[in-house]
Amino acid sequence: SQTIHQWPATLVQPVGSPLSLECTVEGTSNPNLYWYRQAAGRGLQLLFYSVGIGQISSEVPQNLSASRPQDRQFILSSKKLLLSDSGFYLCAWGGGYYEQYFGPGTRLTVT
Amino acid sequence: KQEVTQIPAALSVPEGENLVLNCSFTDSAIYNLQWFRQDPGKGLTSLLLIQSSQREQTSGRLNASLDKSSGRSTLYIAASQPGDSATYLCAVSVGGNKLVFGAGTILRVKS
Repeated sequence: SQTIHQWPATLVQPVGSPLSLECTVEGTSNPNLYWYRQAAGRGLQLLFYSVGIGQISSEVPQNLSASRPQDRQFILSSKKLLLSDSGFYLCAWGGGYYEQYFGPGTRLTVT
Repeated sequence: KQEVTQIPAALSVPEGENLVLNCSFTDSAIYNLQWFRQDPGKGLTSLLLIQSSQREQTSGRLNASLDKSSGRSTLYIAASQPGDSATYLCAVSVGGNKLVFGAGTILRVKS
C-alpha cells in the first residue's frame, strides 16, 4: 500500500531564516505530487505540483520554491521566511481518477 | 474561476442524529468531487470520491451525492457518533490534477 511521509512534523523558525520541508511517497512510482498550505481560518491553497522529476508548476507567486530531485521526493523551500509563511503545509500524491492522498502535514510557525 | 462553498460552517448535533453537509461549486466542468475529513492538527483523510459521471458513493455510514448540473454535493452521515467530530472538506478536481477546496464544515457530535 502507498504511504506518504512528511517531516518535520512541527517547525518554529525566525523571520528571514531558510526553510526546507520534505515529503516522500512509498508504494507507488511516478506519482503526481502536490504542496498545499492551510493558513489559519482559510482553506487549502495549492502551492506547487509536479508530474515528474524536475518538473514543477507554481500556482501562487511567493517566496517559496519546490523541487523534485527524485521520483518520490518533493521538497518545499524558502531562502528567507516571512511571517505570512506560517501555516500548515500538506503534501499529497495523486492516484487514479484524479484522487489525491494527503500526508500528515508540517506545522510551521514563523516568529 | 472555480469556487467551492460549504454550508454550514459549523454544526453541533447530539449523538445518533442523521446529518447533511452541503457543498456547492460554481463551475460544473469538474472531473470528480472528493470529501475529506481532517482532525485537529492532522492531515486529510479521503472519505469518498465521486467521479463526474456518478451520482453517489457510499462507505459505511457515509453517503455522498453529486448533482453536477446544479453544482451541488451533499455528504450524509447516518447515526452520528462523537468520533465523527472533525472538519469535513469537499474539493473538486478541475483538471490538471488540481483540487479546489471549500473552507470546510466543523462538526461536533455531542455524547
